[in-house]
Amino acid sequence: EAQVTQNPRYLITVTGKKLTVTCSQNMNHEYMSWYRQDPGLGLRQIYYSMNVEVTDKGDVPEGYKVSRKEKRNFPLILESPSPNQTSLYFCASTKYPPSSRIRGGSYNEQFFGPGTRLTVL
Amino acid sequence: QKEVEQDPGPLSVPEGAIVSLNCTYSNSAFQYFMWYRQYSRKGPELLMYTYSSGNKEDGRFTAQVDKSSKYISLFIRDSQPSDSATYLCAMSGNRDDKIIFGKGTRLHILP
Repeated sequence: EAQVTQNPRYLITVTGKKLTVTCSQNMNHEYMSWYRQDPGLGLRQIYYSMNVEVTDKGDVPEGYKVSRKEKRNFPLILESPSPNQTSLYFCASTKYPPSSRIRGGSYNEQFFGPGTRLTVL
Repeated sequence: QKEVEQDPGPLSVPEGAIVSLNCTYSNSAFQYFMWYRQYSRKGPELLMYTYSSGNKEDGRFTAQVDKSSKYISLFIRDSQPSDSATYLCAMSGNRDDKIIFGKGTRLHILP
């Protein structure tokens, strides 16, 4: 079964305590990305990765790090979490990056993980 | 002006009606346009994915892109109560693969 797994699903932590949220996909997708979703602000992209060892900043990268050492895994790292990083986080796995224009750009597949609700006190 | 504008709703329509959801955008570099459906307490689900201008149909869903007006639409025919969800538009350009989302429109289909 095609899936994206995230762990943990819920996390309460304190300011400054480093944490990692894991993301793994089993579909051999090239493109993976992290988003945060906040009321009134919608879904915002944090970082994305085109392939192994290739990562780039999204819309709101400040305070976050990522790595892509293997194709299937894309962890999100908060080195020193702050309360303004309290949010709902989603990892997503996409078969092709948008710019690849496979089939004239009319086809892609994408799956989101179940979400991680993070509270930073 | 925000890059992507989307009316948050809520939008309530009777079952069986045609639903029209829309987004406007300001960045003319956007080439890839997506629509997602998100149920409460779930991750978004990709519904439609299109490149440049034109229409794309998939079952009861039709995505329409008008690049000259910087306006995209999602039509849902024969709407069902199970279509009640938040619908998000998203876009990406040619030069990078960053994806920008609208804030989503909450849709209620009334039985």
